[in-house]
Amino acid sequence: GQNIDQPTEMTATEGAIVQINCTYQTSGFNGLFWYQQHAGEAPTFLSYNVLDGLEEKGRFSSFLSRSKGYSYLLLKELQMKDSASYLCAVKDSNYQLIWGAGTKLIIKP
Amino acid sequence: IAGITQAPTSQILAAGRRMTLRCTQDMRHNAMYWYRQDLGLGLRLIHYSNTAGTTGKGEVPDGYSVSRANTDDFPLTLASAVPSQTSVYFCASSDASGRADTQYFGPGTRLTVL
Repeated sequence: GQNIDQPTEMTATEGAIVQINCTYQTSGFNGLFWYQQHAGEAPTFLSYNVLDGLEEKGRFSSFLSRSKGYSYLLLKELQMKDSASYLCAVKDSNYQLIWGAGTKLIIKP
Repeated sequence: IAGITQAPTSQILAAGRRMTLRCTQDMRHNAMYWYRQDLGLGLRLIHYSNTAGTTGKGEVPDGYSVSRANTDDFPLTLASAVPSQTSVYFCASSDASGRADTQYFGPGTRLTVL
């Protein structure tokens, strides 16, 4: 079957750096997405990786290793507004998104 | 309208009742999707439509039906609601079904079936 694994919850301190990992086993691979979802709101797009390596977007970076079935989202200079769930999703061979359950990130002052 | 709208925002429904969740987008996106989100589980695809006039089944289609009469609207119908359909429902759209196309989500409908 298809599977996306992420930690359920992480805690970090304001101003620090946090890395959220995602491992996947899917039938085919057509890219990996990270979304942010604040409580009670819709998911919003953060990043897309299809080739191995690091993609940087301001305070957020996303890394992909296709051979290891592994990605991480790196958040720098954490702010209180970064408290949210972070969803990892992989586009499979049918071009459908398979979603992880999400990682709830709690930021403490 | 800007983006995707969903209606209603929330609903409490008696089991056995019929319910239609509405979704409208104004981005002229070809593809639209319906997901449900339950605590502890990832978003699960219910139905999708790659273009107006076509629909397909996702991971959890049983008990739900959809139609895509035009580009903008993609309603989801529960013919006879059951308590296990209590969930948050998100509609999404994207401009293509290729690799890199990003899905944009509506604000969601919180449905409770009693």
